[in-house]
Amino acid sequence: LAKTTQPISMDSYEGQEVNITCSHNNIATNDYITWYQQFPSQGPRFIIQGYKTKVTNEVASLFIPADRKSSTLSLPRVSLSDTAVYYCLVGGGQYSGAGSYQLTFGKGTKLSVIP
Amino acid sequence: DAGVTQSPTHLIKTRGQQVTLRCSPKSGHDTVSWYQQALGQGPQFIFQYYEEEERQRGNFPDRFSGHQFPNYSSELNVNALLLGDSALYLCASSARVRGNTIYFGEGSWLTVV
Repeated sequence: LAKTTQPISMDSYEGQEVNITCSHNNIATNDYITWYQQFPSQGPRFIIQGYKTKVTNEVASLFIPADRKSSTLSLPRVSLSDTAVYYCLVGGGQYSGAGSYQLTFGKGTKLSVIP
Repeated sequence: DAGVTQSPTHLIKTRGQQVTLRCSPKSGHDTVSWYQQALGQGPQFIFQYYEEEERQRGNFPDRFSGHQFPNYSSELNVNALLLGDSALYLCASSARVRGNTIYFGEGSWLTVV
């Protein structure tokens, strides 16, 4: 299972753009990169998923360089409600009859948004 | 479209007892996974069910068992509860296609006293 490394914590002021970078040096060819947001005592919430280049949705952008050994989650103009733990995960590239992929969570990045 | 639903949301059990947690996957999903999340830690994979069979298992003892029903819903059973089993138990569902996103429920908080 591909291992990810991301900063333990980050602070940002309200209204700023936040970029969280994750390294995944041994990502498999077929693996996808997925980011989740988790508030205390709640389940992880899907933010964005990508395979290569750039993906954008209504809440975030995901930048993936050509070598796919890292990825950057970009949150535009954060607010206090974006204070949460953000997890970067890789996997989901293939399913087999005997099993499927599991998500391996690290400690995530605790983002604190300051007024 | 309902997402992943779990029940109960909170429960308290005594050491040595048994507990059953329930999960209904997101509509269109056929694969269910269970995760345990201790306070301050990331979720840890327990096992995954597909076609009513356990397909993968993480590093959890046999006290943890599960079941998947024909309608894809699932149960997690934990026997002989220990104080260390106190955690948030998360159910996640997905469809068995490449690149399909895994969605999580809000979890069941288990406290063992």
